[in-house]
Amino acid sequence: AQSVAQPEDQVNVAEGNPLTVKCTYSVSGNPYLFWYVQYPNRGLQFLLKYITGDNLVKGSYGFEAEFNKSQTSFHLKKPSALVSDSALYFCAVRVLVSGNTGKLIFGQGTTLQVKP
Amino acid sequence: NAGVTQTPKFRVLKTGQSMTLLCAQDMNHEYMYWYRQDPGMGLRLIHYSVGEGTTAKGEVPDGYNVSRLKKQNFLLGLESAAPSQTSVYFCASSYRFGTGHQPQHFGDGTRLSIL
Repeated sequence: AQSVAQPEDQVNVAEGNPLTVKCTYSVSGNPYLFWYVQYPNRGLQFLLKYITGDNLVKGSYGFEAEFNKSQTSFHLKKPSALVSDSALYFCAVRVLVSGNTGKLIFGQGTTLQVKP
Repeated sequence: NAGVTQTPKFRVLKTGQSMTLLCAQDMNHEYMYWYRQDPGMGLRLIHYSVGEGTTAKGEVPDGYNVSRLKKQNFLLGLESAAPSQTSVYFCASSYRFGTGHQPQHFGDGTRLSIL
């Protein structure tokens, strides 16, 4: 079955330290991978995507993600965390349903807590 | 430019009542989606639409119906609400996947409680 897993319910990091939010996937064919962020009482906001090309993808707000095909992972990273980065983060993979029509499968989400 | 707008933002229903959630987008997107978000389960796709007049089932379609009579609107209906449908509902829209794998844009959600 095609799926996305985020093994950590919560990640705690001190402001100024690097952060990593983990994501692994299982999908047939080439994966199209996404990271979204959700702030309290808001919808999801797109951060970045991997479709093809360079394994290191840069996105919004200083975030980046590293695609690793052999480990089937797409971890979200940031060199220096900010308190304002505290939010719920979702990894997602696109799966085809018919022809070129696809849908996203989301992981269960990881809460990032950045402490001053 | 409002993006994706969901109406209402909050609603409390009694078991057996019906209601319709409205989603409107002003980005001329072809695709629209309805998800539900429950603690520890991420977002699960209820129904989606790839164009005006067409809809399809997602992962958890039971108990819900949808309609897309206009390109900019996507309605989600609960015919007979059940407590298991207590959730936060999100609408999203995007361009066709064939056009560069564009990301989905989300509304701010409708918080629905079924008593």
